[in-house]
Order: sequence, then structure tokens, then C-alpha cells
Amino acid sequence: AQSVTQLDSQVPVFEEAPVELRCNYSSSVSVYLFWYVQYPNQGLQLLLKYLSGSTLVKGINGFEAEFNKSQTSFHLRKPSVHISDTAEYFCAVSLGSNTGKLIFGQGTTLQVKP
Amino acid sequence: KAGVTQTPRYLIKTRGQQVTLSCSPISGHRSVSWYQQTPGQGLQFLFEYFSETQRNKGNFPGRFSGRQFSNSRSEMNVSTLELGDSALYLCASSLYPDTQYFGPGTRLTVL
Repeated sequence: AQSVTQLDSQVPVFEEAPVELRCNYSSSVSVYLFWYVQYPNQGLQLLLKYLSGSTLVKGINGFEAEFNKSQTSFHLRKPSVHISDTAEYFCAVSLGSNTGKLIFGQGTTLQVKP
Repeated sequence: KAGVTQTPRYLIKTRGQQVTLSCSPISGHRSVSWYQQTPGQGLQFLFEYFSETQRNKGNFPGRFSGRQFSNSRSEMNVSTLELGDSALYLCASSLYPDTQYFGPGTRLTVL
């Protein structure tokens, strides 16, 4: 069975500092990987995805993530955060073909301080 | 292109009642999935529909059901509501199975 672990429940960081949100997954088959962001009282917005190809994936709002198959990780990074990046971030996996089912991690709250 | 829409946005029900939530996918998307989000359990997959057929189902009791119409719009129904059903219910649609686009959710409160 597939599972996703987000290693930090909360990450406080000062504005303009870099940040990394960590995500590890467990699967015996190839997966697709995603990062979503959720602002208060809103749905989930897709930040970026890895389906195949280059292991470094760039997304919206200056975020990027790197797929590491040997370490089964898909960490999210941003070189300089803004107050507006304060939100909850979710890592998710799917088996890809013929299913839209996503398995989510528990989420990481990013708190950007001025 | 309009995004995924969900109605209603907020709902208050009492225990024992039933509720129906609606989801309109992005135009052209044929796959619709539903998720339940709670503080304790996080985001959990309920079911997925593709071309009016349920393709996948999560580990929820039979009180949770859904359907998809020929225009790809979907509804989910929860019968005999329990306090623990209070949650944000999210609908997502996709063109291909690889990427889900989420709606704003329906906040259900069971009293």
C-alpha cells in the first residue's frame, strides 16, 4: 500500500529566508507526485507535479521540488518566502494511470514571520 | 475556463438527517473525485467517478454514496449523519488521471 509522510507538521520561517518542506513516500510501484497548497477556508491549489522526466520540477509562485527515487522523497523548496506563502502544504501520490485517487500526507503548516 | 464549483459552500445539519452535495467539474473533465478533510484524519479519499461509473472507492461506510451524471456533474450523499461527519468535503476533477483540480469545498457541520 502507498503512504505519504510529511516530516514536519509546522515550519516557522522569517520572510525572505529559504524554506524546505519535506515529503517521503512509500510505494512498491511507480507513482506520480504532487504538492498542493491550501489557504484558509479554501480548496487545494496545485503547486507542482512530477509525472516523469526531469527530477527537478518547477511550479507556481517560485516553488520547486526534486524527485529522489532512491530516497523516495519529493521535498518542496523556495529560495525566498513571502508573508503570502503562509498556508498549509500537502504532498500527495497517485498510482497514475487509470486512477485519480490521491493519497495525502498530513500536511505542513508554513508560518512566514515578518 | 471556469474551475471546479461546489454547492452549497456551507451546510448545517442535525444528526440522523441526510445531505447531498454537488460538484460541477471543469468543462471537458470526465473524472470527478471526492475527499473528506478533517483536523484529525486529514484528507481522505471517498470515491472517484469516470463516465458515470465508480472507478475507485475509499474506506468509508455505506452511508457515503455518490453518482455522476452524463454531463460529468457529480453528487455525493451522506445518510444518517453522525457528528463525526462534520468536515470539509472537497471535489476534484481531472482531464487525464494524472492531475486533480480541486474546488473550494463544502463545509458540513453536523449538530
